[in-house]
Amino acid sequence: DTEVTQTPKHLVMGMTNKKSLKCEQHMGHRAMYWYKQKAKKPPELMFVYSYEKLSINESVPSRFSPECPNSSLLNLHLHALQPEDSALYLCASSPSGRDNEQFFGPGTRLTVL
Amino acid sequence: SQQGEEDPQALSIQEGENATMNCSYKTSINNLQWYRQNSGRGLVHLILIRSNEREKHSGRLRVTLDTSKKSSSLLITASRAADTASYFCATAPAGAQKLVFGQGTRLTINP
Repeated sequence: DTEVTQTPKHLVMGMTNKKSLKCEQHMGHRAMYWYKQKAKKPPELMFVYSYEKLSINESVPSRFSPECPNSSLLNLHLHALQPEDSALYLCASSPSGRDNEQFFGPGTRLTVL
Repeated sequence: SQQGEEDPQALSIQEGENATMNCSYKTSINNLQWYRQNSGRGLVHLILIRSNEREKHSGRLRVTLDTSKKSSSLLITASRAADTASYFCATAPAGAQKLVFGQGTRLTINP
């Protein structure tokens, strides 16, 4: 299995809702990432998990809460989001090692009303 | 903040022509990578060039790296309509377990 899967593909939520994005990979990769991408912009790194521990948090607001239950799964819990948080949320994974070639999932298109 | 800058921001060429995109960066790197993204989808890794390499080929792709100028170029030869996508360079800064993406080039191949 050489792919990263993300669910759901699309999500519409209100500002008072709580929802979660899910990401899964079965390539044995030990690093996993969350990115946020606005239209016509590059992906912006949000979080990095290495060996199931949070290693990088790029000053992301606390309304975004990551979780890595095991080496194959990565969640992003969403609460009290703002309309400006509407974006494509991408998950990626990479093998350990210095090259850091990343494998991306198809993304979740999030709309906050 | 993003350290990579790409030019051009947009490029439109005829099928069969070659497409060249450039990327500049600011800090020391372990490697530089190029990714492709079709509209609204995930990114696909194309090619990686390490800091001690100057040129690399993969099929119709040719990447160069000039660490003295902190720049890279991606050449796609004999372009096809299916090459229409956004292309991003991404640098792996030395000592950091992350990628920093450039602003991207939107490539359109006209049939």
